[in-house]
Amino acid sequence: DVKVTQSSRYLVKRTGEKVFLECVQDMDHENMFWYRQDPGLGLRLIYFSYDVKMKEKGDIPEGYSVSREKKERFSLILESASTNQTSMYLCASSDGDRVRVSRTEAFFGQGTRLTVV
Amino acid sequence: AQSVSQHNHHVILSEAASLELGCNYSYGGTVNLFWYVQYPGQHLQLLLKYFSGDPLVKGIKGFEAEFIKSKFSFNLRKPSVQWSDTAEYFCAVKTSYDTVIFGPGTSLSVIP
Repeated sequence: DVKVTQSSRYLVKRTGEKVFLECVQDMDHENMFWYRQDPGLGLRLIYFSYDVKMKEKGDIPEGYSVSREKKERFSLILESASTNQTSMYLCASSDGDRVRVSRTEAFFGQGTRLTVV
Repeated sequence: AQSVSQHNHHVILSEAASLELGCNYSYGGTVNLFWYVQYPGQHLQLLLKYFSGDPLVKGIKGFEAEFIKSKFSFNLRKPSVQWSDTAEYFCAVKTSYDTVIFGPGTSLSVIP
């Protein structure tokens, strides 16, 4: 089974702190994604990556950055946490390439519920 | 911009009732379509997917969905729901570059 593991289930951080959310996948997938999930808004894409050291902005990248130094690991960084970044953060990975719409699904981690106080 | 809409924010059904959740997307090119489910306290799981071929696809737990290209729709159905189907359901579309766009979700509550 594909496994996507997020390092924390729950986090509480203070406003202004730098926050790291870690995600590891064990299926050698090229693609990795970070979403945030908010009630009534569904999942919104923050950043994604097709390969090591590559990153692309999603729909809501402001206030976030990412790092992908190894294929299996994709980190989301909140440079200076704010209360409006309180949310559920979901990491996902999938196989595929950038040339076509590949017939693969995304696999999700358990999520990290981040509260910024 | 590509987008996915879901017709209902919250649906409440009695057990054994039939379910249909609507999903529409806005994208004119090749798409892969998905329905994901999130049971309370659990991670997102794939319910079913459509890539090509027969527009009626069957998924796990008795769910099915129909792709109607002319209507840009991918509605989810189940003939008889159970209490254990209480969950949040997300329609999703994959277009170019493997990015997956999600709808806002529909919360389903099944009353025993």
